[in-house]
Amino acid sequence: SQQGEEDPQALSIQEGENATMNCSYKTSINNLQWYRQNSGRGLVHLILIRSNEREKHSGRLRVTLDTSKKSSSLLITASRAADTASYFCATDAKRETSGSRLTFGEGTQLTVNP
Amino acid sequence: DSGVTQTPKHLITATGQRVTLRCSPRSGDLSVYWYQQSLDQGLQFLIQYYNGEERAKGNILERFSAQQFPDLHSELNLSSLELGDSALYFCASSVTGGITDTQYFGPGTRLTVL
Repeated sequence: SQQGEEDPQALSIQEGENATMNCSYKTSINNLQWYRQNSGRGLVHLILIRSNEREKHSGRLRVTLDTSKKSSSLLITASRAADTASYFCATDAKRETSGSRLTFGEGTQLTVNP
Repeated sequence: DSGVTQTPKHLITATGQRVTLRCSPRSGDLSVYWYQQSLDQGLQFLIQYYNGEERAKGNILERFSAQQFPDLHSELNLSSLELGDSALYFCASSVTGGITDTQYFGPGTRLTVL
């Protein structure tokens, strides 16, 4: 089953506006990562936030993490048409076994209209 | 470009056949991961290797197997292929395979089973 669930499933905005995507998950995590995927292509890593961090910035991206609510948000400021893509959150859940594995949500399809 | 390479980009084959997908990790990365992305199940973790040893296992079918070679490249073998195996197969790599690692994804291999 999917660990993460993104909200909304689809988002359409105008260039220059901000886009906010949310992610909820079910179990305790080690970290949460956000990825972007252009249609049918590879996943591009955007940002990793550890479970002991609350906020992280990278360029026009701002990610927050609330472990008490098991949720994260990705904010893209001053959006551009080139930001049009699917955005996924992925969690690495705490577990007793070794190794690392990401569990992905279903993604948010962002469309930025010029 | 993440630095992770995958071959081939596209693969079309028939049911019952066997195929091998190849992945070369980023220079310096010791861990590789395999993921499957399909329309009905989304992005799912299959298996992780670290320095030649299996580290974590996910929803990988018994018909599928993988290995990581001494030069750290990895291969995913899919046998007795079924229509439902049609999907995008991604390889990712990270430095140590640990819980604080960023996973960098390759461009994927699109498998079509006819």
